[in-house]
Amino acid sequence: GESVGLHLPTLSVQEGDNSIINCAYSNSASDYFIWYKQESGKGPQFIIDIRSNMDKRQGQRVTVLLNKTVKHLSLQIAATQPGDSAVYFCAENPNYGGATNKLIFGTGTLLAVQP
Amino acid sequence: KAGVTQTPRYLIKTRGQQVTLSCSPISGHRSVSWYQQTPGQGLQFLFEYFSETQRNKGNFPGRFSGRQFSNSRSEMNVSTLELGDSALYLCASSLDRFPYNEQFFGPGTRLTVL
Repeated sequence: GESVGLHLPTLSVQEGDNSIINCAYSNSASDYFIWYKQESGKGPQFIIDIRSNMDKRQGQRVTVLLNKTVKHLSLQIAATQPGDSAVYFCAENPNYGGATNKLIFGTGTLLAVQP
Repeated sequence: KAGVTQTPRYLIKTRGQQVTLSCSPISGHRSVSWYQQTPGQGLQFLFEYFSETQRNKGNFPGRFSGRQFSNSRSEMNVSTLELGDSALYLCASSLDRFPYNEQFFGPGTRLTVL
């Protein structure tokens, strides 16, 4: 079936360290991937996206890596701050060869930043 | 620019009732998608609307329905509520630049069914 899964449900890091959140996706036809951050009581907030024709994309303190061979995504957060504490979701757009904004979400990883 | 707004933010209903949730997308966004978020199932796609037409639908029973108006605002309706419908219902809007669309989410409507 369709699924985007996460290897680690909870990740605890020290403030200032780098964080890496991993995600496996199942649909090899997916061509667009997004990472979202969700804080308590809020909707998911866009962090960074990547297209299937790219292996790496960098933003401010964040980097997304895409390995299509093994269908794996990762989100790297540099110099993790307490404000980064949240649940992180990866999502894929399977597209199904037609126009759709449907996203398939992973189960989420809780990032806990220790001061 | 205002973000995606959803009303109401909280709802309490009883089994068997029906409910209507509203979503106003970001100005200029023509695509609106709805998702259900529960602790057990995570974020699941309900349906997507573009130019007042349903473009895609997830695996939910027919009790879940939606529509989109000419101003791109969208509503979703759940009839004959069940306890399992308790969830956070999220709306997302997009400019619809295929195939790379950044979707912006609203804060959600928290529905509790008693």
